[in-house]
Amino acid sequence: QSVLTQPPSASGTPGQRVAISCSGSSFNIGRNYVSWYQHLPRTAPKLLIYRSDQRASGVPDRFSGSKSGTSASLAISGLRSEDEADYYCAAWDDSLDVVLFGGGTRLTVL
Amino acid sequence: QLHLLESGPGLVKPSETLSLTCTVSGGSIGGTNYHWAWIRQSPGKGLEWIGSIYYTGSPYYGPSLASRLAMSVDTSKNQFSLRLTSVTAADTAVYYCARLSLRHRGHYEATFDIWGQGTVVSVSS
Repeated sequence: QSVLTQPPSASGTPGQRVAISCSGSSFNIGRNYVSWYQHLPRTAPKLLIYRSDQRASGVPDRFSGSKSGTSASLAISGLRSEDEADYYCAAWDDSLDVVLFGGGTRLTVL
Repeated sequence: QLHLLESGPGLVKPSETLSLTCTVSGGSIGGTNYHWAWIRQSPGKGLEWIGSIYYTGSPYYGPSLASRLAMSVDTSKNQFSLRLTSVTAADTAVYYCARLSLRHRGHYEATFDIWGQGTVVSVSS
């Protein structure tokens, strides 16, 4: 079981806005930056967001990240079919001295 | 543009040692502020950070595999490697190498910004 908790699934229709949450603790999200990754089957994961709210180079502004307290969120607006993928959050954990990933959220575009 | 490529055997027998290498091209593995990481995804599961190493050879290992894990860097070949001993079926996974930005300025920033395509490793007799 991951220390960073994500909902296993999310869905939306084209054009909608969806948000994926990532819940942690004061040892990880509460005091450190969060990054977000998009993972399509049989491809390399792709960095979307770093330092909790900074878009990686080339990432459309439809993707945005935020953090409050011990939780973080990835929002995708103007949902497109190509956004259908698995999404992971990650953060350093001070108590374990490790990088933690969330369990992943499978986004379905209906 | 930096490119990472994993290589190694696709099939390993139980109790044997898994060895993987990540070759970095398009840039140097040494003399930078980046760490070099291994991440895996077991069938039906999420991503798991295995460990990371700095070009000077200083490693960070995830606790779940630390007792069986060794990572190394060869700056002359622009490669870094993973050795996992006493493998079992639970080590069957897609193994990715990645570049890790690990910085501490009051708060830790851990960002995997460049990834390899991954290599499939099956543990079976």
